Amino acid sequence: AQSVTQPDIHITVSEGASLELRCNYSYGATPYLFWYVQSPGQGLQLLLKYFSGDTLVQGIKGFEAEFKRSQSSFNLRKPSVHWSDAAEYFCAVGLNRDDKIIFGKGTRLHILP
Amino acid sequence: EAQVTQNPRYLITVTGKKLTVTCSQNMNHEYMSWYRQDPGLGLRQIYYSMNVEVTDKGDVPEGYKVSRKEKRNFPLILESPSPNQTSLYFCASSSRQGGKQYFGPGTRLTVT
Repeated sequence: AQSVTQPDIHITVSEGASLELRCNYSYGATPYLFWYVQSPGQGLQLLLKYFSGDTLVQGIKGFEAEFKRSQSSFNLRKPSVHWSDAAEYFCAVGLNRDDKIIFGKGTRLHILP
Repeated sequence: EAQVTQNPRYLITVTGKKLTVTCSQNMNHEYMSWYRQDPGLGLRQIYYSMNVEVTDKGDVPEGYKVSRKEKRNFPLILESPSPNQTSLYFCASSSRQGGKQYFGPGTRLTVT
C-alpha cells in the first residue's frame, strides 16, 4: 500500500540554523510529491511540488526539496530558518491514477531564539 | 482572488444531529476533496470528487457523505455525528493537470 512517512514528529532548531525535514514514501511508480506548511491557526499552504525533471525543486519562503529516487525520499531543506518558519510541515504524495493524495503525519518545527 | 471557502469555521454540536459543512471554490477546478486532521495522524482523506456527479471514498469515509451537484460546491454531510468525528476539517480543490491543491481555511468541529 502507498504510504508517506515523516519520521520526525517534532524538530527544534535555532533561528539562523539550517533545516532538513525528512520524508519517505512507498509507491510503485514515481509519484507527484508535495510539501505543505500549516502555520498555527491557519490552513495549508503549498511550499513546493515535484512532478518530473530536475530533482532539486525550489519553493516559496526560501525552501527547497530534493527528490532521490534511490532512497524514495523527498526531504525539505532551508539554509537559514526564521522564527516565522515555526509551523507544522506535511509531506504528501499524489497518485497519478486517480488524483488521490496521501499525507504524512506532519513534523512540527520549533524555532529557538 | 482564487480561493476555497468553508462554512462554518467553527461548530459545536451534539451526537446524532445532522450537519453539513459547505465548501466552495471559484477556480473552476474539477477535483475537490475533504480531509480531516487529527493530532498524531496528520491529514486523512475522507472523500474526493473528480468532477460533477463523480465522487469516491478516501481513506476514512465512514460516517460521512458528500455530493457534487455543481462544479464549485462540495458539501460534507454528517448524517449522525459522533464524538469521534470531532476534528479539524479541510476542503481542497485542484485542476487535474496542475496538481496543486488549494485548501480552505478549515472547519473545527466538536461533537459532544
